[in-house]
Amino acid sequence: EVQLVESGGGLIQPGGSLRLSCTVSGFAVKSAYMTWVRQAPGKGLEAVSVIFVNGNTYYADSVKGRFTISSDSSRNTLSLQMNSLRVDDTAVYYCAKNRGNTAIETWGQGALVSVSS
Amino acid sequence: QSALTQPRSVSGSPGQSVTISCTATSSDVGSYDYVSWYQQHPGKVPKLMIYEVTKRPSGVPDRFSGSKSGNTASLTISGLQAEDEADYYCCSYTSGYILVFGGGTTVTVL
Repeated sequence: EVQLVESGGGLIQPGGSLRLSCTVSGFAVKSAYMTWVRQAPGKGLEAVSVIFVNGNTYYADSVKGRFTISSDSSRNTLSLQMNSLRVDDTAVYYCAKNRGNTAIETWGQGALVSVSS
Repeated sequence: QSALTQPRSVSGSPGQSVTISCTATSSDVGSYDYVSWYQQHPGKVPKLMIYEVTKRPSGVPDRFSGSKSGNTASLTISGLQAEDEADYYCCSYTSGYILVFGGGTTVTVL
């Protein structure tokens, strides 16, 4: 069974850094396209970063230069390093497994990141 | 502003059909037949309902159907049921390789 479990969320001050991890089971993390999707309180969904099977990475303009996505085959985990955090980065962050790279077929339960002074 | 525009809300009575539109505001997004739809109940994780415009994952009722004409994709729910009350998001592949979501539509069952 495919499972995605996020960890690392919490309260952080503006300008700070946080690293989210997603422990994957049921498949090899490097065998799939993986996406981080966030949802601000009461708002819609926003894909912030994707990592391809070939290791290429892409980012939404809103996080480019601040966030870094990576995967680790030895731990079978997906990570999102978030630097220079802003108040508007406050959201639930979902780890997600893509269907190819054209849809999201499996979602984690989400990790809440709150950026506030 | 999202590259995909959805109505804020639609409503219908049980048994009726409702259709949610999703219009691409850029030709880039509108040129792909890689539209997916997600259902999200309050406080819950999104669920894939339709992918590649018309395909249903295993387990999704056939009351849910997708289509696309030009730059507008649509999700139709036939035989509306109380459990269909939720937020629905369309999503598309883009030339920037990252998926883009619409703003979401709240479906209310009257």
